[in-house]
Amino acid sequence: GQNIDQPTEMTATEGAIVQINCTYQTSGFNGLFWYQQHAGEAPTFLSYNVLDGLEEKGRFSSFLSRSKGYSYLLLKELQMKDSASYLCAVRDTGGFKTIFGAGTRLFVKA
Amino acid sequence: GAVVSQHPSWVICKSGTSVKIECRSLDFQATTMFWYRQFPKQSLMLMATSNEGSKATYEQGVEKDKFLINHASLTLSTLTVTSAHPEDSSFYICSEGRETEAFFGQGTRLTVV
Repeated sequence: GQNIDQPTEMTATEGAIVQINCTYQTSGFNGLFWYQQHAGEAPTFLSYNVLDGLEEKGRFSSFLSRSKGYSYLLLKELQMKDSASYLCAVRDTGGFKTIFGAGTRLFVKA
Repeated sequence: GAVVSQHPSWVICKSGTSVKIECRSLDFQATTMFWYRQFPKQSLMLMATSNEGSKATYEQGVEKDKFLINHASLTLSTLTVTSAHPEDSSFYICSEGRETEAFFGQGTRLTVV
């Protein structure tokens, strides 16, 4: 079956670093995505990993280990506007079908 | 700017009526588009895969006769919620599939009263 796990909620302080973990067990794998979603809005793309290793993009970095079925999203220099839900999603093989985890709600406090 | 345009952004309808939601790909010929539903404080649940020129593929538990999907052109997919009931009230979002990322529409907040 398909299973994507990530923590339900996290709290961090403005200016700090936070790491959001995601583990997955899926029948196929063709890439892992991270999305940011503010309440009432559509998700916005943050990162895509298909090979093992770390991808860095500004304040955001994403890591993937396919053998462990594990990824994390690293957010540096946290800002209040980073308070949002972060969705881990896995794309299945043979197409663009993508399954989403339940999301991690991040609260950034002053 | 947006690459996927979805509308309406919100709609209120009476129970028993049908609602059509449109999803347009603005800069890409999308042979495949996806429809998701999201209940409050929950993640996106894939409802169906919309295939241009052929029948949609529905996920297990999604009633294909209730959620009609039409993908008549490479730039337009529509989702029609037929005979809507209050339990169908949700946030519906479409996306197109590309190689290294997926773009989402703005979402449609459906409220059935």
